[in-house]
Amino acid sequence: KQEVTQIPAALSVPEGENLVLNCSFTDSAIYNLQWFRQDPGKGLTSLLLIQSSQREQTSGRLNASLDKSSGRSTLYIAASQPGDSATYLCAVTRGAGSYQLTFGKGTKLSVIP
Amino acid sequence: NAGVTQTPKFQVLKTGQSMTLQCAQDMNHNSMYWYRQDPGMGLRLIYYSASEGTTDKGEVPNGYNVSRLNKREFSLRLESAAPSQTSVYFCATEGSSTDTQYFGPGTRLTVL
Repeated sequence: KQEVTQIPAALSVPEGENLVLNCSFTDSAIYNLQWFRQDPGKGLTSLLLIQSSQREQTSGRLNASLDKSSGRSTLYIAASQPGDSATYLCAVTRGAGSYQLTFGKGTKLSVIP
Repeated sequence: NAGVTQTPKFQVLKTGQSMTLQCAQDMNHNSMYWYRQDPGMGLRLIYYSASEGTTDKGEVPNGYNVSRLNKREFSLRLESAAPSQTSVYFCATEGSSTDTQYFGPGTRLTVL
């Protein structure tokens, strides 16, 4: 059974710092990997999706990388801002169709002004 | 466009009561999903519907039933609520041309 782990569970950084969030998964036979953001009391918003054949994806100050063979992904946030404070979740699928999504428990990020 | 909407936003039930959580989408997506999110457990799939007229069990279906009323609507029913069903419930959709899911704002359910 696929397991997705995110470490640390919580992270606090000063504004302006660059930071990396980590995600690891036990079964490397994945179809894609996604990073989501969840604000308190809200639903999830997809940030980046990396197909299994890709190594990274970028959107603005966010860059996600994927090393499928080692079962790892990182989400890099450049020049962090207080508005980046949220919980970030990683999820992997083993095939087409999101019914096969397995989520990590998330990293709660606090960016201190 | 409203995207994915869920009603109600909050609900308190007594053990044994029943209720239906509603989800509607205006994105013309085929697939719809129901998740529950619990502290320390992450998101777990309850039921999903790959297309209108079909439903399938996810990881934690016991105690729930679903109905895919039409392409827009996917409801989740608790026939006899239990305290273990206290959770935040999310509905999500996915289009056939994308692997990305779109989530509703959630329903916070407390069962006393």
